[in-house]
Amino acid sequence: DTGVSQDPRHKITKRGQNVTFRCDPISEHNRLYWYRQTLGQGPEFLTYFQNEAQLEKSRLLSDRFSAERPKGSFSTLEIQRTEQGDSAMYLCASREGGSAPQHFGDGTRLSIL
Amino acid sequence: AQSVTQLGSHVSVSEGALVLLRCNYSSSVPPYLFWYVQYPNQGLQLLLKYTSAATLVKGINGFEAEFKKSETSFHLTKPSAHMSDAAEYFCAVSEGKAAGNKLTFGGGTRVLVKP
Repeated sequence: DTGVSQDPRHKITKRGQNVTFRCDPISEHNRLYWYRQTLGQGPEFLTYFQNEAQLEKSRLLSDRFSAERPKGSFSTLEIQRTEQGDSAMYLCASREGGSAPQHFGDGTRLSIL
Repeated sequence: AQSVTQLGSHVSVSEGALVLLRCNYSSSVPPYLFWYVQYPNQGLQLLLKYTSAATLVKGINGFEAEFKKSETSFHLTKPSAHMSDAAEYFCAVSEGKAAGNKLTFGGGTRVLVKP
């Protein structure tokens, strides 16, 4: 069990640029989740995949955000035309079926200049 | 809709003293409940989970939590705090498969352990 892996760990970019983050889940986990955590707050749900199907998106996920999981393995989260308010930690989690808990990666911290 | 309230954004305890972190939830269905711990610049690590089995749940690092349906609570305790317990703790609720098992988190409680 190598755990959930996220890349990069840190990203600094200028406002208006596009960024893409990658998440590699635990290999046998078919469910994958993205959360956003701002400073001093708990994580907030963004979106969720079962295999390659994106089954739910939060209203927090504006049109500038898109997530994919093309082969049901790794996932990418892209933010277009970044804004100051996008500065946050983006966390990925994966799980098996049933009542299995989610296992989190170490996150990607995004800073917008 | 589900929600989680953690009472106290900061808790300070002396090394060796009892740690008590409070969590109350609301849920329209029997919930699954979780406690996670987060160290600086890291992701969340699962401490323990309640999924409708025993109401007293034991987790890692000496932590345990008790599910009390009548009080809609899931408070986390540890009898004797260690310096290594200094971290932020999050309570989370899931409404299970019907809600995609997504988690709703409380605002977190930061624990400071004094020597």
